[in-house]
Formats: sequence, structure tokens, C-alpha cells
Amino acid sequence: GEDVEQSLFLSVREGDSSVINCTYTDSSSTYLYWYKQEPGAGLQLLTYIFSNMDMKQDQRLTVLLNKKDKHLSLRIADTQTGDSAIYFCAEGGYQKVTFGTGTKLQVIP
Amino acid sequence: DAGITQSPRHKVTETGTPVTLRCHQTENHRYMYWYRQDPGHGLRLIHYSYGVKDTDKGEVSDGYSVSRSKTEDFLLTLESATSSQTSVYFCAISVGGNTIYFGEGSWLTVV
Repeated sequence: GEDVEQSLFLSVREGDSSVINCTYTDSSSTYLYWYKQEPGAGLQLLTYIFSNMDMKQDQRLTVLLNKKDKHLSLRIADTQTGDSAIYFCAEGGYQKVTFGTGTKLQVIP
Repeated sequence: DAGITQSPRHKVTETGTPVTLRCHQTENHRYMYWYRQDPGHGLRLIHYSYGVKDTDKGEVSDGYSVSRSKTEDFLLTLESATSSQTSVYFCAISVGGNTIYFGEGSWLTVV
């Protein structure tokens, strides 16, 4: 079955880069996603990458995909206090999406 | 804003009572989903729908039923609520076949 794993917690200093990692098991996944959840809110889609891509960049966000190792990462450049949230990795596409347990990012001023 | 509205946003109910959560969308998307979010488990799929009156089970469907009589509404019902169903429930829709957008969540406490 599908499984998505993430570390539970990451702490970085404001201005540094954050790298959140994720591994998944379903090699047939069409898309890989990153969502952000702030306290008391729903999940906000940050970005996604098609499975035949290696990298996608969107302003401060860089997504790297190593399909061979089934490893996905999200890099946030110049991390700000407003980036403090839980970040969810997800795999799938269309009919079904499987989520990881989330990584809580703490940004220290 | 994907045009998803969940109601109620917060509810406290007693064990054994029925509860219905409503998800309403404004854009006629075909696929709709109900997830629950619990610490240490991330989001888990309860049920999903791929059209009016077309629904299927997810990985944690026991104790839940759903209905979709109109494209815009997807209802999640707990027939007899239990304390293990205390959770945050998220409705979601699939847009364009490749992206899932979420509602703001419904916080349910079963006492």
C-alpha cells in the first residue's frame, strides 16, 4: 500500500533556508504535492510537481524529486516567521491522494 | 479560494448521537472527499464521491456514511458518534484532475 513519511519537526533561524524531506512508496504516483497548514486552518496547496520532473521552483520554494529513491524535498529560501506551520507531503493524483503525517516548521526570530 | 464551505465549523456532541457534516462547493467539480486529521496520522481518507450518488470508501470508513444528492453538496454522517471520532474533518475537491483543495475544516468533539 501507499505510505508517505516525513520527519515530525524542524527548527530553523529566520533568514536561513529550510529543507523539509519526504519519502513515498507508490512509484505510480502521478503528482507529488506540498501543502501548508497554519493553526486552526485548512490545508493550503503550496506547489506540486509532475512525476516526470526533477525540480520545480516558485519564488522562495524549490521542490526536488528523486524518483529513483522516491524522495521529495521542499526548500524554503530566506525562511520567515510567517512560514511557521505544518507542511504536508502528499502523493497521488486525480482520484486519490495520500498524505504524510506532516512536518512542523518552527522559525526562530 | 476553491469555493468550499463546511458546516458546522465547530460542534460538540454526545456519544451515541447522530451527526451530519456538510460540504458545499460552488464550482460543480466532480470529485469530492472527506478526510479526518488526527495527531500522528496526518490526513486519512474517509469517503469520496465521483458524481451524484456515486461514492466509495476510503481507508477509515467504518462508522461513517456519505451522501451526494446534488453535485454541490457532499454530506458526511456519523450514525452514532463515538469518542474515537473526535477529530478535525476536512472536505476537499479535485480540480483539473491533479490538484486537491481543502475546506477550512470542521472541529468535532464527542463527549
